[in-house]
Amino acid sequence: DAGVIQSPRHEVTEMGQEVTLRCKPISGHNSLFWYRQTMMRGLELLIYFNNNVPIDDSGMPEDRFSAKMPNASFSTLKIQPSEPRDSAVYFCASRGQAPWDEQFFGPGTRLTVL
Amino acid sequence: EDQVTQSPEALRLQEGESSSLNCSYTVSGLRGLFWYRQDPGKGPEFLFTLYSAGEEKEKERLKATLTKKESFLHITAPKPEDSATYLCAGADSSYKLIFGSGTRLLVRP
Repeated sequence: DAGVIQSPRHEVTEMGQEVTLRCKPISGHNSLFWYRQTMMRGLELLIYFNNNVPIDDSGMPEDRFSAKMPNASFSTLKIQPSEPRDSAVYFCASRGQAPWDEQFFGPGTRLTVL
Repeated sequence: EDQVTQSPEALRLQEGESSSLNCSYTVSGLRGLFWYRQDPGKGPEFLFTLYSAGEEKEKERLKATLTKKESFLHITAPKPEDSATYLCAGADSSYKLIFGSGTRLLVRP
């Protein structure tokens, strides 16, 4: 299994631009999580999906952030418009059928907003 | 508010010098305590899950233990390749993970 796949691995953009991060979860997993990691705040959960349905988006910082999961094998996290304070590493993770299963993380996307 | 606190923030050990990392938690309805390892530039990699006080799990030089208030990750005779950031996370009643800020471990040869 290829594990969780994220793209791009690095993204540099200018303030005000739209950014789209992509994730392919592990086949057969039915839960998907988006996290953001910074030195100041550590690893924070932004949103998670179960069976493609958003369950909890309380961690999404503001309306500039949106996430979709159109099918079981693909999810996107979009930031529009981007701001310098959005600079961070964004991780996607997926989990198997049981809620107590471990989460498997992707390699992350390092976002820099100038 | 649910919270997970790790200490120390950073730890330097000589190769072979055993030590422990601490993870204190206040998570209502804790469903599990997870340990992850994170190498620079990579995503967290799963190590252990502990579900109840008194439980212990081992993997090579690592042993994780759990009490009602904290978890320890014991590292026995560490090697340089054990250098990484170790993250612990508590799963709340809805199985969302609340992560600590991590302990950066450096093992010198």
